[in-house]
Amino acid sequence: QVQLVESGGGVVQPGRSLRLSCAASGFTFSGYGMHWVRQAPGKGLEWVALIRYDGSNKYYADSVQGRFTISRDSSRNTLYLQMNSLRAEDTAVYYCARARNTWTQTYLDYWGQGSLVTVSS
Amino acid sequence: QSVLTQPPSVSGAPGQRVTLSCTGSSSNIGAGYDVHWYQQLPGAAPKLLIYANSNRPSGVPDRFSGSKSATSASLAITGLQAEDEADYYCQSYDSSLSGVVFGGGTKLTVL
Repeated sequence: QVQLVESGGGVVQPGRSLRLSCAASGFTFSGYGMHWVRQAPGKGLEWVALIRYDGSNKYYADSVQGRFTISRDSSRNTLYLQMNSLRAEDTAVYYCARARNTWTQTYLDYWGQGSLVTVSS
Repeated sequence: QSVLTQPPSVSGAPGQRVTLSCTGSSSNIGAGYDVHWYQQLPGAAPKLLIYANSNRPSGVPDRFSGSKSATSASLAITGLQAEDEADYYCQSYDSSLSGVVFGGGTKLTVL
């Protein structure tokens, strides 16, 4: 069965960095694109980034462009999100999810349980 | 303000039929991009409910159905059950933003 397990969340000061990981199992990781989606406390879902199955293309939401970097290591079946210059408004639960279909018709068929990132001094 | 507009709340009695709407524009739903729906139970991660406008993943009851027309989409739930109480989100792609977009979500209350 498909499993996605996020880790790396925690409390971090504004302006600092944090890296999230998402360990994938139960499917051929190298054959699928992967998303990061976040949800601020009590708020709705916000898409963050997508990386194609082979890492050749990466897409970002305007709110994180230039500060966050999505990457993957298919030898480790792991997805990453490097978050730099963190702001209070980045506080959220971060979910990794498997991507299906093409970039413009993509949907997210399996989700992890989420990892909470709190940006606070 | 979300690009896709959903009513904040909807309610219905057990056994009833409810419809949740998702209104977009010519740069997303109206441009022909698919709409997908997710269910988020309290304290849980989102779960895919409907993909590509009207398709149900394996394991999703046929009480859930989706449709799309012009610049909007709808999720219908028939035979409402207590366990359907959750937040529901629509999702599509927006060409103006060049990115994936979610609706603000609808909280469904089963009376």
